[in-house]
Amino acid sequence: KAGVTQTPRYLIKTRGQQVTLSCSPISGHRSVSWYQQTPGQGLQFLFEYFSETQRNKGNFPGRFSGRQFSNSRSEMNVSTLELGDSALYLCASRDPRDGGEKLFFGSGTQLSVL
Amino acid sequence: SQQGEEDPQALSIQEGENATMNCSYKTSINNLQWYRQNSGRGLVHLILIRSNEREKHSGRLRVTLDTSKKSSSLLITASRAADTASYFCATGLNRDDKIIFGKGTRLHILP
Repeated sequence: KAGVTQTPRYLIKTRGQQVTLSCSPISGHRSVSWYQQTPGQGLQFLFEYFSETQRNKGNFPGRFSGRQFSNSRSEMNVSTLELGDSALYLCASRDPRDGGEKLFFGSGTQLSVL
Repeated sequence: SQQGEEDPQALSIQEGENATMNCSYKTSINNLQWYRQNSGRGLVHLILIRSNEREKHSGRLRVTLDTSKKSSSLLITASRAADTASYFCATGLNRDDKIIFGKGTRLHILP
C-alpha cells in the first residue's frame, strides 16, 4: 500500500506570491491533517479535513487555507507569502476504521520564501 | 492548549546506553503518542498509550504515562546509531480531535 505522498518536495517562492501544496493520503484514509514545522516553533497544527469538511483548525491567519477532494486528496494554499512562512509543511492521514488515532506522515514540502 | 513539551530539548549518549525523554502536557487527554523524525523527513509513529494505561512496551521502547502528573516518558534501551533522530510526543482530547505535538527532543547517539 502506497504511503502518504506530498508534492512538490521543494519549492522556492518570493514574498507576496501564493503557493499550493498537494497531499495524497494512504488509500482508504479519509482524514488529512496539515502541519507547519519550523526550527523555533516545532510542529504547529494548521487544519484537518475529513470527508471534504474541515474538522479541526489551528491558529493560523486566513492566508492559510485548505480543501479536500472527494478522493481524499488535499491541497493547502498560502496566499501573500511572507518570509516567516518558510518551513517544512507536513501532511498526515489517519484511518478512522482502526481508531483514527495514529498519524501517517508524508515526507513534507520544504518551502523557502525569498 | 494540551500541547506537550518534551524534556530535555537535546540529549547525547553513548551507543548502548539507555535514553530517557519526558513529555508534559496541560489538559486531559484520550491518549498520548510518541513519534520519531529523522533529519527533516516525515514523522513515524512509534507507540500509543491510552489514558487508562500506565506502561506500554514495544521492542526496545518503554512508555509510561502518569495522568495525575500529566506526564509521560519514553525509554529507549540499548541505543543504536540508527536511533539518532528527534522524538515528539503528541496528544489529542478524543479520537476526532486535532493531534498536537510538542517541540521534540533531539537525540544523538555517539559511536
